[in-house]
Amino acid sequence: DTGVSQDPRHKITKRGQNVTFRCDPISEHNRLYWYRQTLGQGPEFLTYFQNEAQLEKSRLLSDRFSAERPKGSFSTLEIQRTEQGDSAMYLCASSPEGSRTEAFFGQGTRLTVV
Amino acid sequence: SQQGEEDPQALSIQEGENATMNCSYKTSINNLQWYRQNSGRGLVHLILIRSNEREKHSGRLRVTLDTSKKSSSLLITASRAADTASYFCATVPTDSWGKLQFGAGTQVVVTP
Repeated sequence: DTGVSQDPRHKITKRGQNVTFRCDPISEHNRLYWYRQTLGQGPEFLTYFQNEAQLEKSRLLSDRFSAERPKGSFSTLEIQRTEQGDSAMYLCASSPEGSRTEAFFGQGTRLTVV
Repeated sequence: SQQGEEDPQALSIQEGENATMNCSYKTSINNLQWYRQNSGRGLVHLILIRSNEREKHSGRLRVTLDTSKKSSSLLITASRAADTASYFCATVPTDSWGKLQFGAGTQVVVTP
């Protein structure tokens, strides 16, 4: 399968714990994006990478959130000291370089903070 | 904050009918894309229309773009029960070519 893969698909964690999600993009795609989606809303942009460089971060991405793409391939999104408000679907997408192309989304990681 | 707004928020139609949904956005764009999302799943790209295009077709889908009004519409013709999903428009702003900005979506239910 050459689609975008996210792991885990579901995560339940206690408030205050740290969580880390992984995204494996389509192999030849330079760009990788992270979005957050809450129930009944559209995806909200968090950050994106071109290769290993993190080019833009949303103001939604507080100090508790960090994303990496160390070798320009897979990416991780870590949330420290989780809060109940962090409960959401975290979506990863990738695309080839260029602004005129579609993004390919993974199935998402659903985070529940209890 | 989200870039676009879809209208209506929800749409219920019967199989065979056409479904039309609209999207308005705020800033200058490079292109506008429509995505579909089944409940609890990832998004699937449907169609992309560039800022210098006015209309585009793909199968049963027809998309229009009016940059002067900063609006777009998606028409699904001869709808099927399998078209039941949420539909989102997403824009690529000219000042930030690296990201898609999504609206809140239109939830479409097609009943047999």
